[in-house]
Amino acid sequence: TQLLEQSPQFLSIQEGENLTVYCNSSSVFSSLQWYRQEPGEGPVLLVTVVTGGEVKKLKRLTFQFGDARKDSSLHITAAQPGDTGLYLCAGGTTDSWGKLQFGAGTQVVVTP
Amino acid sequence: NAGVTQTPKFQVLKTGQSMTLQCAQDMNHEYMSWYRQDPGMGLRLIHYSVGAGITDQGEVPNGYNVSRSTTEDFPLRLLSAAPSQTSVYFCASSYHGPDQPQHFGDGTRLSIL
Repeated sequence: TQLLEQSPQFLSIQEGENLTVYCNSSSVFSSLQWYRQEPGEGPVLLVTVVTGGEVKKLKRLTFQFGDARKDSSLHITAAQPGDTGLYLCAGGTTDSWGKLQFGAGTQVVVTP
Repeated sequence: NAGVTQTPKFQVLKTGQSMTLQCAQDMNHEYMSWYRQDPGMGLRLIHYSVGAGITDQGEVPNGYNVSRSTTEDFPLRLLSAAPSQTSVYFCASSYHGPDQPQHFGDGTRLSIL
């Protein structure tokens, strides 16, 4: 079973639309990271959120960490084909320090 | 900077063969880790190391061994390959631990026949 549940598993939208990806858990995380992975490559870090309720923006991407530090969301405004990729959330809990655990990922496809 | 370098990029093995996947980083990172990525399952942690001489198990350690004799290198060994170990393997590193940005290699695609 995944410690981090991501939804949806797959998202296909048209250029210009908005989308939201969710990352949920029953565990409390000391921090949570979001990565994007493209075919044939390793994941690349987008952002790290640390404080409950924190909101971070990266151009058209908005990341939010839940108040209880158990969940997070990624919102993309006016998606572009370059946003296509596998989005992964990852976190570590204080009772399993050293272990960074990943969600299964959300595959996002943005068509022109 | 080369970052995290994984070799080989592709490998085909027969059941029962052994091999070592190499991972090297040139960023003087203390924390290194190995993941396997299978369709629909994200990345699963195999083993990790918080510094030279120190290793520990992740979620799916069975069938894999690691060692960390230097800060730069963190090889992953398959002693007797099984078809269930067919996967894409990623090595990652960060300065001090899992809470810091992870730098990933480009992966090794391994097929066990």
